[in-house]
Amino acid sequence: ETGVTQSPTHLIKTRGQQVTLRCSSQSGHNTVSWYQQALGQGPQFIFQYYREEENGRGNFPPRFSGLQFPNYSSELNVNALELDDSALYLCASSGTNGDRDMGYGYTFGSGTRLTVV
Amino acid sequence: LAKTTQPISMDSYEGQEVNITCSHNNIATNDYITWYQQFPSQGPRFIIQGYKTKVTNEVASLFIPADRKSSTLSLPRVSLSDTAVYYCVMDSSYKLIFGSGTRLLVRP
Repeated sequence: ETGVTQSPTHLIKTRGQQVTLRCSSQSGHNTVSWYQQALGQGPQFIFQYYREEENGRGNFPPRFSGLQFPNYSSELNVNALELDDSALYLCASSGTNGDRDMGYGYTFGSGTRLTVV
Repeated sequence: LAKTTQPISMDSYEGQEVNITCSHNNIATNDYITWYQQFPSQGPRFIIQGYKTKVTNEVASLFIPADRKSSTLSLPRVSLSDTAVYYCVMDSSYKLIFGSGTRLLVRP
């Protein structure tokens, strides 16, 4: 039912490693955002891409980076993993700036559960 | 930085109306107020959005007073499947600012 798919669903990595998480947005959705959700907390904004350019970033270090591709797919890359990076990573897409003026909101995927050991 | 405050948890019974109030004293002029629902192991799902006054859709109503410093999500006649975490969220241009959420438990 959701138009946003994320892979993998679960992932275990060792501290210091690098990870790439993938997202496929709904066709026509040229805005994609990534969020980090720690256990028991609300999602925290990492960054947003619009037409393959980063157009907003939250309070995350540079080792969190992203890419958006013309085919409505995107990636979140995290280098030098730390234990505190363990979280659910969510991808969200929308038409234009969240379609906020249309009242449609963002469509989220089910996330990738990353565990750093 | 915009921040939302809402009850940590609420209990209700099937068939009742549930109202969840959120405080957002520092809301910016361009921010929209949105509410999302989240089930375990799933991403948040958009429920409703508003800027001022009242908005109603097929699943909920959103009441926003003139000063916009608070908002109330109203869920009519809840069912067991409405048990979830509800987030009051500031849609701030390019990002969503989530609070800690309200865990709603609907009992039979």
